[in-house]
Amino acid sequence: QKEVEQNSGPLSVPEGAIASLNCTYSDRGSQSFFWYRQYSGKSPELIMSIYSNGDKEDGRFTAQLNKASQYVSLLIRDSQPSDSATYLCAVIQGSTLGRLYFGRGTQLTVWP
Amino acid sequence: SQTIHQWPATLVQPVGSPLSLECTVEGTSNPNLYWYRQAAGRGLQLLFYSVGIGQISSEVPQNLSASRPQDRQFILSSKKLLLSDSGFYLCAGGRALLRTEAFFGQGTRLTVV
Repeated sequence: QKEVEQNSGPLSVPEGAIASLNCTYSDRGSQSFFWYRQYSGKSPELIMSIYSNGDKEDGRFTAQLNKASQYVSLLIRDSQPSDSATYLCAVIQGSTLGRLYFGRGTQLTVWP
Repeated sequence: SQTIHQWPATLVQPVGSPLSLECTVEGTSNPNLYWYRQAAGRGLQLLFYSVGIGQISSEVPQNLSASRPQDRQFILSSKKLLLSDSGFYLCAGGRALLRTEAFFGQGTRLTVV
């Protein structure tokens, strides 16, 4: 079982739609969860962090965490073509201090 | 705020040559530090991480090694590069707290020829 899994994609949505990205993790003791955005040829950029169950909103982005289901999601409202990128889910695993592990990413395309 | 400095941006090296990539962190002390490799079209593979000077955890046994000679300096090395070592190498760092956020340097695109 992979430690961090993301919906494989690619995901394609029209401009103005809601994009939904999902991630599951295997280490039940994990406490810190992150979403990064990576444009082609560039390094990843942190866009959201979440540590407690529930929703966390930042502008057009909402991260959702459900520790019981070991599930993290990212919603992007009013998607824009500039949101087209690969989105990476990352987890600091509870069993090993500091180990930051990434999923393989979901490629999102927002078409005008 | 934290800044991760990583250089060079691109590197072309022959097979069998040595490698040394350096990463330094500004804006925080005693950070967690990470080296990742990303093959074309693939996810981030964790190579090494460090929670303190001299403390290196290796994730993938291969011909790479890492060292942390100073608190905010992380070095990735190889004695002899292989063709399979080509990829995008990324250094990341973050405060050494439970709720740490890691930030990335610009990355080094390594091509082994």
